Amino acid sequence: DVKVTQSSRYLVKRTGEKVFLECVQDMDHENMFWYRQDPGLGLRLIYFSYDVKMKEKGDIPEGYSVSREKKERFSLILESASTNQTSMYLCASRDSPQTQYFGPGTRLLVL
Amino acid sequence: GDSVTQMEGPVTLSEEAFLTINCTYTATGYPSLFWYVQYPGEGLQLLLKATKADDKGSNKGFEATYRKETTSFHLEKGSVQVSDSAVYFCALSNAGNNRKLIWGLGTSLAVNP
Repeated sequence: DVKVTQSSRYLVKRTGEKVFLECVQDMDHENMFWYRQDPGLGLRLIYFSYDVKMKEKGDIPEGYSVSREKKERFSLILESASTNQTSMYLCASRDSPQTQYFGPGTRLLVL
Repeated sequence: GDSVTQMEGPVTLSEEAFLTINCTYTATGYPSLFWYVQYPGEGLQLLLKATKADDKGSNKGFEATYRKETTSFHLEKGSVQVSDSAVYFCALSNAGNNRKLIWGLGTSLAVNP
């Protein structure tokens, strides 16, 4: 069965901290995605990766960076967390017929 | 650019009622269309999809037909259950967008017993 896992379900961080969100998929997919989900705004794409060490900016990359050192792992990094980055973060990976498979999400609170 | 518009929620229904959630799209070419569902506290999961005009996607009693003439992909279910309470997202994928998903804003459904 398809499996995407995220390192934490809930995180509380302080303003200015560096935050790492990890995502792992076991499906050998080449494409992986990071979204944030906010009420009234739906899902917004932060970054995606189409292969190891390859990345592309999504619609809202400011304040974020990503790392893809291994095919199964895609990390989202908040270099200096701010309160407006409080959100639900969703990771997904994609198979060739375009279906995206999502992890359970990480709810991040920045104080 | 490509876009997806779905009806605003929340939608509140009684158990066994008929459900329609409208979704229309704007896209060049021949996109693929998807419905995803997000149950409370969980990530999104694919509910159904259609990859070409007149295709009907179906799963768990839900159906949606890809209508190119009306650029629509409305989600329907004949008899909803309390367990269908969730947020439903319509999305499209197009070769012109590197096959990234373009999302609607989601429609929240609450089904009362």
